Amino acid sequence: GAGVSQSPSNKVTEKGKDVELRCDPISGHTALYWYRQSLGQGLEFLIYFQGNSAPDKSGLPSDRFSAERTGGSVSTLTIQRTQQEDSAVYLCASSLGGTGVSYEQYFGPGTRLTVT
Amino acid sequence: AQSVTQLDSHVSVSEGTPVLLRCNYSSSYSPSLFWYVQHPNKGLQLLLKYTSAATLVKGINGFEAEFKKSETSFHLTKPSAHMSDAAEYFCVVSGWPYNNNDMRFGAGTRLTVKP
Repeated sequence: GAGVSQSPSNKVTEKGKDVELRCDPISGHTALYWYRQSLGQGLEFLIYFQGNSAPDKSGLPSDRFSAERTGGSVSTLTIQRTQQEDSAVYLCASSLGGTGVSYEQYFGPGTRLTVT
Repeated sequence: AQSVTQLDSHVSVSEGTPVLLRCNYSSSYSPSLFWYVQHPNKGLQLLLKYTSAATLVKGINGFEAEFKKSETSFHLTKPSAHMSDAAEYFCVVSGWPYNNNDMRFGAGTRLTVKP
């Protein structure tokens, strides 16, 4: 079946512009995560959505970053007034979520953001 | 809060020799633990997971990991490295049962396999 998809795959933008990154999770997955992976670095947690609950925004690095998830499915990560340090690969993952056990995450291919 | 430490940023082995990638976790309760692999220019893939069943967990591609509570470790091993194993490996701890989907990644270990 279809996996997690992200668009665009690559985005080059000028410093100060706003960007939107899109994630389509696996159908039926209630949990959705955004991570950032800078060159040679591990994954940095950004935000987590679980069903209709309020999202966990504890990883967002500044108020320039925001995310929403419409209808419990597609999610958009928005970065306003981009800075060069925002350049990274942005990864989205989804999982079955719920309670009881930890479910594995399924990752999308990522969006490579370059801020010039 | 839970956290995970990968003790080596880079491991280099020769093809056919054993692989050991070390991971220690910190948690105030029995966590769920995962290993993910990321091949160059590819997405992350689950290798294996521990969720309080058998302490020795077998994964894909011949990898396995052993959960040792007394040592708070979850090291990843493979008896014989293959060239295709060259990749970045991430150890992950989850917040279950308090926060089921709070997943924290280690900094990663880059595995190089020499011919």
